[in-house]
Amino acid sequence: EVQLVESGGGLVQPGGSLRLSCAASGFTFSGYLLYWVRQAPGKGLESVSAITSNGDKTYYANSVKGRFTISRDNSKNTLYLQMGSLRAEDMAVYYCARVGTAYFDFWGQGILVTVSS
Amino acid sequence: EIVMTQSPATLSVSPGERATLSCRASQSVSSNLVWYQQKPGQAPRLLIYGASTRATGIPARFSGSGSGTEFSLTISSLQSEDFAVYYCQQYNNWPRTFGQGTKLEIK
Repeated sequence: EVQLVESGGGLVQPGGSLRLSCAASGFTFSGYLLYWVRQAPGKGLESVSAITSNGDKTYYANSVKGRFTISRDNSKNTLYLQMGSLRAEDMAVYYCARVGTAYFDFWGQGILVTVSS
Repeated sequence: EIVMTQSPATLSVSPGERATLSCRASQSVSSNLVWYQQKPGQAPRLLIYGASTRATGIPARFSGSGSGTEFSLTISSLQSEDFAVYYCQQYNNWPRTFGQGTKLEIK
């Protein structure tokens, strides 16, 4: 069974940092493109960042470029999102999602990041 | 990046009736479009891929159509469990981009 389990969320002050992790199981992790997708309270879905299967190419939304870094450790079946210089507008539920054939076919349950003083 | 626009923002429909949701892309995405359903507190659930193919386990009352820039999702006879938010998303171009969602509510 495919599973994606996010961790590392919580409360952080504006300007602070946080690292999210997404532990994967039930599939060949190194074979898949992965995304972080976020959803601010009461809002829609936003593709935040993506990384190719071997990590050689990454994508960042303009809203997080220069502040967030996506990475993966294929030996540990884990996806990461290092978030820095956090702002109130970064507060959201963050999902990791697997790209199957070409679209998101599996999602994690999501992890809440709260940015507040 | 490709901008996806959904309409309407909110759709009020009675159970048993038909609902049609629309999605427009800022440039052609061919048939590389999916629809997701999201309920409160849950991750999105894949409904339709390839613009018109139902995902595994999705009831036949859900159907998708369209290609290029204009797409629609139709739910033929609404059940209580269908009231949720629906998102379209294109996967023709990098990055994958979402519409802003249509909330389907009980009339």
